[in-house]
Amino acid sequence: DQQVKQNSPSLSVQEGRISILNCDYTNSMFDYFLWYKKYPAEGPTFLISISSIKDKNEDGRFTVFLNKSAKHLSLHIVPSQPGDSAVYFCAATYETGANNLFFGTGTRLTVIP
Amino acid sequence: NAGVMQNPRHLVRRRGQEARLRCSPMKGHSHVYWYRQLPEEGLKFMVYLQKENIIDESGMPKERFSAEFPKEGPSILRIQQVVRGDSAAYFCASSPPSGYGYTFGSGTRLTVV
Repeated sequence: DQQVKQNSPSLSVQEGRISILNCDYTNSMFDYFLWYKKYPAEGPTFLISISSIKDKNEDGRFTVFLNKSAKHLSLHIVPSQPGDSAVYFCAATYETGANNLFFGTGTRLTVIP
Repeated sequence: NAGVMQNPRHLVRRRGQEARLRCSPMKGHSHVYWYRQLPEEGLKFMVYLQKENIIDESGMPKERFSAEFPKEGPSILRIQQVVRGDSAAYFCASSPPSGYGYTFGSGTRLTVV
């Protein structure tokens, strides 16, 4: 039962352009969402998060948008850089209660120089 | 300030042997989480522990898998009588009591031959 879904397994973007990674969830109880970046042979690294009381959170080149009615979030990277090439995981949890994260299956981003 | 330390990085076991995976949390973190990533899948929550206490083991397989986080020493994920399907990357994360600030280790890649 995949409660967090990333339907695009891969994405290629030219350097300098915008990368948009999408994520959908099915559980309306989720109220805190995170994006992680993962390089091969390393653990996931936290990128950015958003609480359900917000619809946007920005940190430098990274912006996460949340559409609660559609149960959809997206990560925008502008401008994309070759070093951004990695697998990006979306995760969701309950802000109060259990601390385990529910992960999507990941999107492999390739930024072409 | 060392991050989350997992060892070994790679572990090869024959079918039927036991696998022990270790995780030392970040300094100041009292909560440990174990996740498993099967090939081409996202990370799946297994178990959440505090010192000497299992808080949530809803993601643990019912048989052969166990986890502990003793008062002294690292957290241990133990898999008895390993089978080929146990081959995966096992990630440990730790957090302070708030649950926020998840930090992942680099993982242990288990291969069952």
